[in-house]
Amino acid sequence: SQQGEEDPQALSIQEGENATMNCSYKTSINNLQWYRQNSGRGLVHLILIRSNEREKHSGRLRVTLDTSKKSSSLLITASRAADTASYFCATGLNFGNEKLTFGTGTRLTIIP
Amino acid sequence: DAGVTQSPTHLIKTRGQQVTLRCSPKSGHDTVSWYQQALGQGPQFIFQYYEEEERQRGNFPDRFSGHQFPNYSSELNVNALLLGDSALYLCASSWRAKEAGNTIYFGEGSWLTVV
Repeated sequence: SQQGEEDPQALSIQEGENATMNCSYKTSINNLQWYRQNSGRGLVHLILIRSNEREKHSGRLRVTLDTSKKSSSLLITASRAADTASYFCATGLNFGNEKLTFGTGTRLTIIP
Repeated sequence: DAGVTQSPTHLIKTRGQQVTLRCSPKSGHDTVSWYQQALGQGPQFIFQYYEEEERQRGNFPDRFSGHQFPNYSSELNVNALLLGDSALYLCASSWRAKEAGNTIYFGEGSWLTVV
């Protein structure tokens, strides 16, 4: 079963705008990772945030983690057409653990 | 540095047949996990291999089995295929370190269609 839910399920914005996606999960976690998936392709790792971290940045990406609310958000600034994809959050539970539990994904469409 | 590679990219099988999918992990990685992703869903964990043994298993029947070789590459086998096995099968690799949290890298996947 899915660990959590991404919100919204689908998002369409104009190129250049910022996109925010949220992820909620159910159990205590060790880390949370965000992935991008272009249609029918593999998953591309975007960013990992550990449970003792609250915010991380990578280029145009900003991820926050609130373990008290069991939620995370992914912000993509200055969106580009190439950002059109599905975005998934995935949680890891244990030290050295490689099992990820995925949410249902947000389908992001950037309108040129 | 090659990433995670999977083969074949696409394949079509008939109900009741058996299929084998292959994965080579990213260089330096020793752990391989397999995921099934149905259309419109998030990936679901099948199982994980480390040191040539199955270490964790998700909620999948025994028809799903695997193997890891000494060079860390892995195979996923599915017997007695059902229509519901049609999905994208993703291989993921990582390094089994003791510290908290590892970046897990995925391959492009193998699309399996069962007819």
